Amino acid sequence: GIQVEQSPPDLILQEGANSTLRCNFSDSVNNLQWFHQNPWGQLINLFYIPSGTKQNGRLSATTVATERYSLLYISSSQTTDSGVYFCAVLDSNYQLIWGAGTKLIIKP
Amino acid sequence: DSGVTQTPKHLITATGQRVTLRCSPRSGDLSVYWYQQSLDQGLQFLIQYYNGEERAKGNILERFSAQQFPDLHSELNLSSLELGDSALYFCASSGTLAGAQYFGPGTRLLVL
Repeated sequence: GIQVEQSPPDLILQEGANSTLRCNFSDSVNNLQWFHQNPWGQLINLFYIPSGTKQNGRLSATTVATERYSLLYISSSQTTDSGVYFCAVLDSNYQLIWGAGTKLIIKP
Repeated sequence: DSGVTQTPKHLITATGQRVTLRCSPRSGDLSVYWYQQSLDQGLQFLIQYYNGEERAKGNILERFSAQQFPDLHSELNLSSLELGDSALYFCASSGTLAGAQYFGPGTRLLVL
């Protein structure tokens, strides 16, 4: 089945810093989503991005489907950005395959 | 707010008991998914329903069952509960099979 790898596994930054999170996947996919799980456990949809680039405020994402990777950019980090960022891809059976996540801690 | 609702938010019960978790999908979404997330773990896919019919099964135990009703809400039944069933249970919905999945706030289950 499809393998999804995220890097880095952990990231600690000062407030105001920028960061890039990466998601590699091993096969072609029907879609790709980025999620943020906040410290209270809530899973928040960030982007639905099977290809191309999207922006939402301080966050943007780029998926290069032909090269099987996606990047999530966070600019001017805030403490509320802390949590775990998951990448998930939809396989040929229309099932979401999840990466292990990147744990982000933003220090004030 | 994703538009997906789950009840209850928290549930504390004892081993051997049975509980029912409820999910209402976003308006118009036909597909409902159930996931389990144990402490510091990733999400495990349990089961998917599409327009009332079971479509796919993941790592769902035989003690667990689910259904989707004609009004498209879904229930996940967990029986003969064990300590290891303590987890966060998420419901998600999507409009199409390949569409984005939107997650509810989850039900936090604690089995004592």
